[in-house]
Parts: sequence; structure tokens; C-alpha cells
Amino acid sequence: ETAVFQTPNYHVTQVGNEVSFNCKQTLGHDTMYWYKQDSKKLLKIMFSYNNKQLIVNETVPRRFSPQSSDKAHLNLRIKSVEPEDSAVYLCASSSGQGANSDYTFGSGTRLLVI
Amino acid sequence: GQQVQQSPTSLVLQEGENAELQCNFSTSLNSMQWFYQRPGGSLISVFYNPSGTKQSGRLTSTTVIKERRSSLHISSSQITDSGTYLCAMEPGNMGYKLTFGTGTSLLVDP
Repeated sequence: ETAVFQTPNYHVTQVGNEVSFNCKQTLGHDTMYWYKQDSKKLLKIMFSYNNKQLIVNETVPRRFSPQSSDKAHLNLRIKSVEPEDSAVYLCASSSGQGANSDYTFGSGTRLLVI
Repeated sequence: GQQVQQSPTSLVLQEGENAELQCNFSTSLNSMQWFYQRPGGSLISVFYNPSGTKQSGRLTSTTVIKERRSSLHISSSQITDSGTYLCAMEPGNMGYKLTFGTGTSLLVDP
């Protein structure tokens, strides 16, 4: 099966803890992304990686750090989580940009910070 | 300001009625995409539609890149069409990211 796979599906943690989310795509795409969907369902880009290189870093707090071992994997680490980090984190991939930018999303990781 | 404007914000239909969802962009764009999301569900691509008209079953999307607009037409709506429809664009001056609208929440009643 070719798709974007995310783990875990759901995570509950306390303020100040560190969390890590994993994302893997088997579509052979060159570009991967992390998006955040807030409680109002608005989706915003956080990071974009193209062939393991950081392309977009959209004014995300420093406690968020993406990690890419190869173009099929893009993980997200959050050091010292805060209550406003509660959201759904969506990983996506695409084959490129512009006319080739057909995006595929994973099922998301729902984070609850208590 | 909001780069991607979607309308209407919400819509309630009787099963069998048609719906027209609109998306307008305030900047130039390379491409755009329509997504569908159920409550608590993942984003499913409905149409990847750089320009022109595409049809898939009861869904038709028309995008006019030069006029910075796109529409999604749902004919003969069904209860299972209920959910949120999101449009997104890749900005013309910046690839490698999608900018999303705030979505249209559709409820189809029996």
C-alpha cells in the first residue's frame, strides 16, 4: 500500500514533556510537510522538506524541530510542550511544486497537552 | 489578510439537492486542490486541479487560475457527503507549501 503513515494516532502528555511524532511516505515523493490543524480546524504549514533539506520554516516556535533521515521520513519533535500545542498534526507529501504539487496527507496525530 | 476565502462557511442540504462551493484566492497561485475531511478524520484529496474542469462521479471542479477562483459542485447530494470541504492553493511566489481556506461545513439531511 502506498500512502502517508503517521504514528501515534493520539497522544496525551503533560506540560513540559517532550514528544515525538513519526511520519513515513511510500509514494516515492521528494517533498514532505508538517501541518498543524487547530481547534477551529484551520490548517497551517509548519515545515517543508525537499530531499531531506529544509525548505520552509513558517515561524514555528523553537521547541518544534523536524528531523529527516531520508526523503521518505519526516519526524517532528516538540521539546517542553505547552497547552497551545494541543492540536492535530498532519504529515503530507508531494512529488514537487507548482504543476506537480499533488499533496497526499496522513491520518494525523492528535496531541492533547494537560 | 486571509489569502484563501471559502464560501459559504456552512451549508445544510436535503438529500438530493445540489451544492456549489466557492474558493477565491487573493494572490497568484501555481495550483490548487480540494480536500474532504470528516469530523476527526484525515484529509482526503478530492481534486487536484491546476486549471480547467474536472469531474468525478457527482463532483465537478472548475478552476480559473487567471481569475484566482475555483468551485466545487456536488450534484444529487447524499448523507455521506456530509463533512468539511477545504480548498488550498500553492502560492505563485512560494512553492513547497499549501495555504488553506477555513472550509465549508456541509450537512446533508435525509
